[in-house]
Amino acid sequence: DTAVSQTPKYLVTQMGNDKSIKCEQNLGHDTMYWYKQDSKKFLKIMFSYNNKELIINETVPNRFSPKSPDKAHLNLHINSLELGDSAVYFCASSWGQRTAEAFFGQGTRLTVV
Amino acid sequence: SQELEQSPQSLIVQEGKNLTINCTSSKTLYGLYWYKQKYGEGLIFLMMLQKGGEEKSHEKITAKLDEKKQQSSLHITASQPSHAGIYLCGAAGGGSNYKLTFGKGTLLTVNP
Repeated sequence: DTAVSQTPKYLVTQMGNDKSIKCEQNLGHDTMYWYKQDSKKFLKIMFSYNNKELIINETVPNRFSPKSPDKAHLNLHINSLELGDSAVYFCASSWGQRTAEAFFGQGTRLTVV
Repeated sequence: SQELEQSPQSLIVQEGKNLTINCTSSKTLYGLYWYKQKYGEGLIFLMMLQKGGEEKSHEKITAKLDEKKQQSSLHITASQPSHAGIYLCGAAGGGSNYKLTFGKGTLLTVNP
């Protein structure tokens, strides 16, 4: 069983569209994250949720909205997609904070054309 | 905010050679993580270091955290093509902080 699974793995869409990326973890972790990896492979945190509560919300455009229906899921919805949103988005989960051993999903490669 | 500097940015070695990747933090590290990423795949957790002077090994990969807890090194002995990929160091902030900060990664190529 995949510990942290993301869908879809690849997403190609046109500018202006709205899209969602889903993430599920079956590890029983209480913290989930969304990271963005740009073309230069720089990995940067976007959001973090603990027990469905938003903990971290980095400087991310309002077009990005995370939604956590329960502890095991953290979905990322993106409105009005722009070319600069093209990147690989990683979901991760862990126990708590700081000393956590984060488990990462395989990533979703988003291409906006 | 905490920043992690990795060096080198990229590295090409011949199979069988040893190599070292460094990760330097602008602040004291409360937890330092090493990950490996292969193209098209997610990050794979390698090791976590917390105590100054701590050293951990997994197969042919050894990671060490210096006494001052501001620098970590990842050493690969007798590299193999399977070691190729991007190695990232990550750090958690001090206190109550869910934020993991990553270095920019080191791209390792191992030529057979």
